[in-house]
Amino acid sequence: DSGVTQTPKHLITATGQRVTLRCSPRSGDLSVYWYQQSLDQGLQFLIQYYNGEERAKGNILERFSAQQFPDLHSELNLSSLELGDSALYFCASNQGGDGANVLTFGAGSRLTVL
Amino acid sequence: GQQLNQSPQSMFIQEGEDVSMNCTSSSIFNTWLWYKQDPGEGPVLLIALYKAGELTSNGRLTAQFGITRKDSFLNISASIPSDVGIYFCAGRRGGATNKLIFGTGTLLAVQP
Repeated sequence: DSGVTQTPKHLITATGQRVTLRCSPRSGDLSVYWYQQSLDQGLQFLIQYYNGEERAKGNILERFSAQQFPDLHSELNLSSLELGDSALYFCASNQGGDGANVLTFGAGSRLTVL
Repeated sequence: GQQLNQSPQSMFIQEGEDVSMNCTSSSIFNTWLWYKQDPGEGPVLLIALYKAGELTSNGRLTAQFGITRKDSFLNISASIPSDVGIYFCAGRRGGATNKLIFGTGTLLAVQP
């Protein structure tokens, strides 16, 4: 157990729907990162939050959004889902700041869009 | 999206063999990390490298931060069946964002 908790573990939904993925970071970590892993794309950085504020943005689609709450858990919202959004979505955390290099990953949420 | 060039893409070896994989970039990195991902799980950190030329071991695993700061390699000695998985390199250029860029992954299969 890495200490990073992601729910749900599996999710099957239809095109056009909206889902929310949830992540609780490791105790003491202030920063949360979201990554998308699909078969042909590897691990793609989506977005980072640090202590409730957006810190960096990667290849995140406009249909996707995220937030980090005061208790430091984070949610990734995926809307108007398309078949190509099927992927593993990973959350990772660290203490944040310039010196914190290592990310600890959760087990992922597998999204299947039918 | 941006990714590091990782090779080989896959390896199929016999138990007991040594394995070597590497990661290259056109940009300079301040940090190189190596992760392993088991099926259905998230990536788990194996080795972290913070200085050019640094050579670090973790059991049967050895990784090096290239002198040019544009590459890194990972060696696994005397492979065993539980080494099976996908190995990812990841690099960080620096700055406050802490954004890691991942390699494309190396799939390792070990035949007993």
